[in-house]
Amino acid sequence: KQEVTQIPAALSVPEGENLVLNCSFTDSAIYNLQWFRQDPGKGLTSLLLIQSSQREQTSGRLNASLDKSSGRSTLYIAASQPGDSATYLCAVGSNDMRFGAGTRLTVKP
Amino acid sequence: DAGVIQSPRHEVTEMGQEVTLRCKPISGHNSLFWYRQTMMRGLELLIYFNNNVPIDDSGMPEDRFSAKMPNASFSTLKIQPSEPRDSAVYFCASSLAGGPYEQYFGPGTRLTVT
Repeated sequence: KQEVTQIPAALSVPEGENLVLNCSFTDSAIYNLQWFRQDPGKGLTSLLLIQSSQREQTSGRLNASLDKSSGRSTLYIAASQPGDSATYLCAVGSNDMRFGAGTRLTVKP
Repeated sequence: DAGVIQSPRHEVTEMGQEVTLRCKPISGHNSLFWYRQTMMRGLELLIYFNNNVPIDDSGMPEDRFSAKMPNASFSTLKIQPSEPRDSAVYFCASSLAGGPYEQYFGPGTRLTVT
């Protein structure tokens, strides 16, 4: 059974800092890896989707990489802003997505 | 596009009552997913449908839970009878079957069973 782990569980950084969130998974035979953002009391917003044949995806200040052989993905956020404060979740699979517990990010002004 | 629509947004009910949660997927999407999120267990997949057909319901916790998708634009998740341990946020998501499987989530229904 696929296990997805996200480290750290919580992260606090000053505004403007570049940061990296980590996601690891136990079964490298994945179809997709998807990063989501969840604001308190809200649903999940899809940020980036990396298909198994891809190594990275970029959207604005966000860059996600995928290394299937090592079972890892990273989400890089450049020049962080207070509006980036949220919980970030990664999910692995196709229809049967397995979610990590998330990293709660706080960006301080 | 209106996105995935869920109703109600909040539901408070007493133990033993029947609860019905509703979902309208994004138009054109033919896969639909029901998730439950709690602090203790995180986000769990309960059931998903492809082309209105239930494919995997192994995540449904017990017989008190049932889900239907009578057509491509509507699904329900029913709990009967409800129990306090069912209190959680229930999310519906949709995607295009056949890939690339990017899932889009609704705003969720916060269920409280007293």
